[in-house]
Amino acid sequence: ETGVTQSPTHLIKTRGQQVTLRCSSQSGHNTVSWYQQALGQGPQFIFQYYREEENGRGNFPPRFSGLQFPNYSSELNVNALELDDSALYLCASSTLRGQRAKMGTQYFGPGTRLTVL
Amino acid sequence: QKEVEQDPGPLSVPEGAIVSLNCTYSNSAFQYFMWYRQYSRKGPELLMYTYSSGNKEDGRFTAQVDKSSKYISLFIRDSQPSDSATYLCAMRFTGGGNKLTFGTGTQLKVEL
Repeated sequence: ETGVTQSPTHLIKTRGQQVTLRCSSQSGHNTVSWYQQALGQGPQFIFQYYREEENGRGNFPPRFSGLQFPNYSSELNVNALELDDSALYLCASSTLRGQRAKMGTQYFGPGTRLTVL
Repeated sequence: QKEVEQDPGPLSVPEGAIVSLNCTYSNSAFQYFMWYRQYSRKGPELLMYTYSSGNKEDGRFTAQVDKSSKYISLFIRDSQPSDSATYLCAMRFTGGGNKLTFGTGTQLKVEL
């Protein structure tokens, strides 16, 4: 076990709704990254948060947004859900020093499986 | 063309076999290379982590990186049924805030 926890485990929503997913990072880690993993695909980078600010973003529209809290936990928010948003959403924690990576090793949580009907 | 290519399999081998898993990539700026194991309905688990070219061994697992060919491999010796999982290669640039670029994953089944 990595110490990264995510909630909820599963979620079913309908098109147009909004969803919030939560992540608690591993102790000692200050950076949280979010990934989307569609069925049969590798994880795709959504964005990363460091010191409560977005620190890099992948090719995802603005309706994907996030937050990081002072305790380094994080939320992923998705507005106006679409059928293609159905996927496993993974949170990964790691450590950065300043704006340069110390290790780059990311530890993943178990994921939240989102189904959009 | 994807930045990282990985044969999705499935790959089926008998118990005790040596397994070879591979990825190719197109961006020569990748410097850090990782292999993750993902069991069904679970998050990826880090197996191996290497920097630049060379080999790294950890128990039954050996990771190889050939930057000149843009090719990385993971070898599993004495494969066990518990090794049955999807194996994901991942890589990142120096700096770049830890963003990982993944392959699609290779599904491995080790049969008794």
